[in-house]
Amino acid sequence: DIQMTQSPSSLSASIGDRVTITCRASQGISNYLAWFQQKPGEAPKSLIYAASSLQSGVPSRFSGSGSGTDFTLTISSLQPEDVATYYCQQYNSYPLTFGGGTKVEIK
Amino acid sequence: EVQLLESGGGLVQPGGSLRLSCAASGFTFSSYAMSWVRQAPGKGLEWVSTITSAGVIVYADSVKGRFTISRDNSKNTVHLQMNSLRDEDTAVYYCAKSQRGMDVWGQGTTVIVSS
Repeated sequence: DIQMTQSPSSLSASIGDRVTITCRASQGISNYLAWFQQKPGEAPKSLIYAASSLQSGVPSRFSGSGSGTDFTLTISSLQPEDVATYYCQQYNSYPLTFGGGTKVEIK
Repeated sequence: EVQLLESGGGLVQPGGSLRLSCAASGFTFSSYAMSWVRQAPGKGLEWVSTITSAGVIVYADSVKGRFTISRDNSKNTVHLQMNSLRDEDTAVYYCAKSQRGMDVWGQGTTVIVSS
């Protein structure tokens, strides 16, 4: 099974800050990597697929990069509505696996 | 608008059974893989099962032999039959349209396994 390791597990940043979350796969997954945002009490929402492609309707302050084993989700200017837990997921092979999540809070 | 609506959750005793359903609308259901993902209280996301548009089925090891996924393309619905339920199956169960990862999610249905 492919293990997905996210870091940090939580972070606190100020409004307007640039925030970066990393996700590392235990083996190469090409660009079969998605990012999800989950706000408290809500279902997950897809932000990014194929490592760097933005889902329709997602604000452009979100971006993704990486290929192979190392990936990054960046929020260019943190907004109050971005408070959430963020998960990466590989869909290169079964079993599909998620990272442990990164909780983003406002400082 | 693409929508997924889960139902069928509830309280069940260990060893019992439940059948979850996910009704889809707003897209050509038969053309897409569908998945179930669960989230135990206070925990992260765990993939459970996927059924492709061609009917190929895959399960997580944690549910293999106990859960059965199926789809009814005539009713735009995917089901998850859950048997021999255990305490550790307690979770919110989400269905997700599986394109480009999982691009659309339902709101979830809660399953509680407890005596």
